[in-house]
Amino acid sequence: QKEVEQNSGPLSVPEGAIASLNCTYSDRGSQSFFWYRQYSGKSPELIMSIYSNGDKEDGRFTAQLNKASQYVSLLIRDSQPSDSATYLCAVPGGTSYGKLTFGQGTILTVHP
Amino acid sequence: ETGVTQSPTHLIKTRGQQVTLRCSSQSGHNTVSWYQQALGQGPQFIFQYYREEENGRGNFPPRFSGLQFPNYSSELNVNALELDDSALYLCASSSPRPPNPEQFFGPGTRLTVL
Repeated sequence: QKEVEQNSGPLSVPEGAIASLNCTYSDRGSQSFFWYRQYSGKSPELIMSIYSNGDKEDGRFTAQLNKASQYVSLLIRDSQPSDSATYLCAVPGGTSYGKLTFGQGTILTVHP
Repeated sequence: ETGVTQSPTHLIKTRGQQVTLRCSSQSGHNTVSWYQQALGQGPQFIFQYYREEENGRGNFPPRFSGLQFPNYSSELNVNALELDDSALYLCASSSPRPPNPEQFFGPGTRLTVL
């Protein structure tokens, strides 16, 4: 089992819809979870951090964490074409201190 | 506040050569992590530096080495380059707040090995 897995893409949604991105992780001891957005040819940009079970909202973005199910998701409401990017889920931990383990990413396309 | 900077932006080398990549951390951050991102994949952790010492290492061979300087900037050195080393190399800085600090990435260095 991979340490961090994301739902396979690509994901295509119409403008104004809700985009749902999912991530599961294997380390039950993980305490922090991060979502990064990466535009084509650019570096990852941190968009959400979540540490507690439940929902965390920031503008059009909502992160949802369920530690019992080892599941974290990112919802993007009122999706815009500018949201088209690869979304990376990252979880700290593993055998190396300071390490972030990333999923393979989900490519999101928002079409007008 | 100055963000993470990396140099050079792009680099082309031939197999067997050596390369040095540079990173300046974000203002106020004393921890630097390096990642390798192959096309279509998530970033893979190479190592982290804190207080000028390696503070954790991923599954990369010893020909990948690094340094951190007193001003918290860092270098990644790769010896005996192989074709598979072609990737985007990312530097991320963080401040060591527990339990797990957020990491902020620089723009990356695109390395092509021919």
